[in-house]
Amino acid sequence: DTGVSQDPRHKITKRGQNVTFRCDPISEHNRLYWYRQTLGQGPEFLTYFQNEAQLEKSRLLSDRFSAERPKGSFSTLEIQRTEQGDSAMYLCASSRLTGAQMGEKLFFGSGTQLSVL
Amino acid sequence: AQTVTQSQPEMSVQEAETVTLSCTYDTSESNYYLFWYKQPPSRQMILVIRQEAYKQQNATENRFSVNFQKAAKSFSLKISDSQLGDTAMYFCAFRQGGGGGADGLTFGKGTHLIIQP
Repeated sequence: DTGVSQDPRHKITKRGQNVTFRCDPISEHNRLYWYRQTLGQGPEFLTYFQNEAQLEKSRLLSDRFSAERPKGSFSTLEIQRTEQGDSAMYLCASSRLTGAQMGEKLFFGSGTQLSVL
Repeated sequence: AQTVTQSQPEMSVQEAETVTLSCTYDTSESNYYLFWYKQPPSRQMILVIRQEAYKQQNATENRFSVNFQKAAKSFSLKISDSQLGDTAMYFCAFRQGGGGGADGLTFGKGTHLIIQP
């Protein structure tokens, strides 16, 4: 168990540029989540996958955001045409669960801190 | 939509003391889960304790215990014999059970706990 890995740790970009983040979950974890955390706030749910299927996407999520998990292993989160309001820490979490229950323990990565200038 | 409220932005106690962090939530659902997560300066969220709403018995994990008052929609965390390593942000989180939990965890704004030597 090497933990959830996120890359990069920090990303600075100019407004209007596209950025992509990567998350490597714990091996054999079938669920993968993306959250966003701004200063002074708790994390906010963005989207989640079960295996390679994206099962839910937050209604608050702009169309500029897209996530993939092509082979049910690692995931990428892309933000197109970044805005200053996108500046935040982007957290990835994974879990292993069978069935429909939602009370499983999530294992979080250390996040990617995005700064949009 | 569910909401989670943490009314204490910051708390400070001496090492070895007992401290209680407050959390209230609002939901009309009966099937749900409650969590306390810890976020140290390393930024990695770590599960502290978990409670299933259908269980009347309060969850306990070593020095950490909860006081779950379902009717009052209250879920406080008690840390006994506090240690310097307990210094962190603590987030209370809610997740609806079954298919309704697809929106992931709803977090409060957090309580910054400082353990003084």
